[in-house]
Amino acid sequence: GAGVSQSPSNKVTEKGKDVELRCDPISGHTALYWYRQRLGQGLEFLIYFQGNSAPDKSGLPSDRFSAERTGESVSTLTIQRTQQEDSAVYLCASSPGQGRNTIYFGEGSWLTVV
Amino acid sequence: GQNIDQPTEMTATEGAIVQINCTYQTSGFNGLFWYQQHAGEAPTFLSYNVLDGLEEKGRFSSFLSRSKGYSYLLLKELQMKDSASYLCAVRASGGSYIPTFGRGTSLIVHP
Repeated sequence: GAGVSQSPSNKVTEKGKDVELRCDPISGHTALYWYRQRLGQGLEFLIYFQGNSAPDKSGLPSDRFSAERTGESVSTLTIQRTQQEDSAVYLCASSPGQGRNTIYFGEGSWLTVV
Repeated sequence: GQNIDQPTEMTATEGAIVQINCTYQTSGFNGLFWYQQHAGEAPTFLSYNVLDGLEEKGRFSSFLSRSKGYSYLLLKELQMKDSASYLCAVRASGGSYIPTFGRGTSLIVHP
């Protein structure tokens, strides 16, 4: 597609439920990032995928968070047993590859845990 | 680890010039980004600096000094639509290509 596409754009879920967020990167982009942004806060790195290499999961805040990516295409971020502090916008970004490349963001998935 | 500092908020007048500073401390350096983010929207790319000096792009310019760990974003001829958050992000060297973002500077442009 023309840009990074994320779904759902908005999600309200009850505490304790699992949620799955999807990201479609720009076609041909081998690098994919997930960030979290709480209200009024900066972007917090979660996980990074580069081609077929093992993902960098160093930013995942707990074992309730996991992410997968199918080859160099779609990625899903799963949050199990959601908590109220998980409420945030989850931003996906992609770039053409390693090194000095611009990163392009999607519109984000706004998650509210009630 | 990395540490990135930006002012939390700035105000400026329409038509004026504003400079948003960013200082950073990283283990190695592999580029600095500036992004603009309007409320409720995704960040959009503004500039990328990897060498020292000034990069100009229309009304926006970005400056980098690697020896000082310092960058600024300069916005000229401010317009009301420039009211947004401006995010500084630094990519460290050594194999990690993950940019670390500062908390952002909220710029308010008033008439």
